Amino acid sequence: DGGITQSPKYLFRKEGQNVTLSCEQNLNHDAMYWYRQDPGQGLRLIYYSQIVNDFQKGDIAEGYSVSREKKESFPLTVTSAQKNPTAFYLCASSGRTGGGNEQFFGPGTRLTVL
Amino acid sequence: AQRVTQPEKLLSVFKGAPVELKCNYSYSGSPELFWYVQYSRQRLQLLLRHISRESIKGFTADLNKGETSFHLKKPFAQEEDSAMYYCALMRNTGFQKLVFGTGTRLLVSP
Repeated sequence: DGGITQSPKYLFRKEGQNVTLSCEQNLNHDAMYWYRQDPGQGLRLIYYSQIVNDFQKGDIAEGYSVSREKKESFPLTVTSAQKNPTAFYLCASSGRTGGGNEQFFGPGTRLTVL
Repeated sequence: AQRVTQPEKLLSVFKGAPVELKCNYSYSGSPELFWYVQYSRQRLQLLLRHISRESIKGFTADLNKGETSFHLKKPFAQEEDSAMYYCALMRNTGFQKLVFGTGTRLLVSP
């Protein structure tokens, strides 16, 4: 499938632990995004990055952190401060130019807190 | 603030029946609207966007600015259309973030 990859596919975490979810893209896209998908709530934006070394909080950034040191990579750390981290996490990327930029999504990571 | 509303969590139809997945939005400017689809065990993908005015897999959607709606329609549903459908809005100023609705699960029965 290529394009955007996320790892791992499944992740289990004990309460109080930080975990990092990986997202890599080879589409040469400037913009990258992290969403959280919960049943009945759709997709909610956690963080986004327009360009390398820059990122902005989305609608539900509390308890999460990101970095964008490379264009291809946008890892998400779920910290112990996140009250309800069990969810399905989606990473996406989009090209910078053109109107109606399509976002391309990764396969997702399912995080479960034990 | 931008908001997208999909009133139906689940839409169940029989094969060959017409389908209409509702989407209403609130936005003060002129938005760009999208429909994304997530088939079972597949990643979320773009189905269609209003600026393209195209039909994909038999689906069409017309932007109605008066009613602030972007309903997704198909005249004859197929079993393979069963999936989760998300309507999304992108504002046309500033950074182009997507705002998603809560999604509608379409179930097409034989």
